Amino acid sequence: AQSVTQLDSQVPVFEEAPVELRCNYSSSVSVYLFWYVQYPNQGLQLLLKYLSGSTLVESINGFEAEFNKSQTSFHLRKPSVHISDTAEYFCAVSAVNRDDKIIFGKGTRLHILP
Amino acid sequence: KAGVTQTPRYLIKTRGQQVTLSCSPISGHRSVSWYQQTPGQGLQFLFEYFSETQRNKGNFPGRFSGRQFSNSRSEMNVSTLELGDSALYLCASSTDRVLGNEQFFGPGTRLTVL
Repeated sequence: AQSVTQLDSQVPVFEEAPVELRCNYSSSVSVYLFWYVQYPNQGLQLLLKYLSGSTLVESINGFEAEFNKSQTSFHLRKPSVHISDTAEYFCAVSAVNRDDKIIFGKGTRLHILP
Repeated sequence: KAGVTQTPRYLIKTRGQQVTLSCSPISGHRSVSWYQQTPGQGLQFLFEYFSETQRNKGNFPGRFSGRQFSNSRSEMNVSTLELGDSALYLCASSTDRVLGNEQFFGPGTRLTVL
């Protein structure tokens, strides 16, 4: 079985400052990793995902995440945040080529300070 | 393509009643998953259906049930409602999660139990 830990429930950061949202996972098998974002009063949307290949994955709006197998982490970063990034971010893991359920972390709420 | 739709968007019920929520996935998607989202517990997996068969089930009591129809539309039912069932219920569809394909989420049904 897999598990996901998002170490911070809330992260305040000033506009245009860098941010890192932390995600650690545990699994005995190979995994797919995802970051989803939930804007206020909306459902979740995929931000980026790691399936295989390059360990650094990027989204179209400037976020990136790096798969670190030795540290079992998949931290999300952005070099300069904007007020529009205010949202809740969820890390998720699922087993490769298996129909086990996807496991979501409890989420990290990103507060952008003016 | 139309996105995932959920009906109703808002629902108010009283303890002891039962409720049925509906989810229409994106056309061509055969996998439908249901999640319960609450401020304290985050996103919790309820169950997943694939081609009308329940493929995975979360740790919820038997009061929570679901089904999927031949057109991939899905319903979930909660019987004998309790105050703690108040939550945002999210539905997500995918072509096939096993391959690492993303889930597309609907806007959710907000259930309030009085």
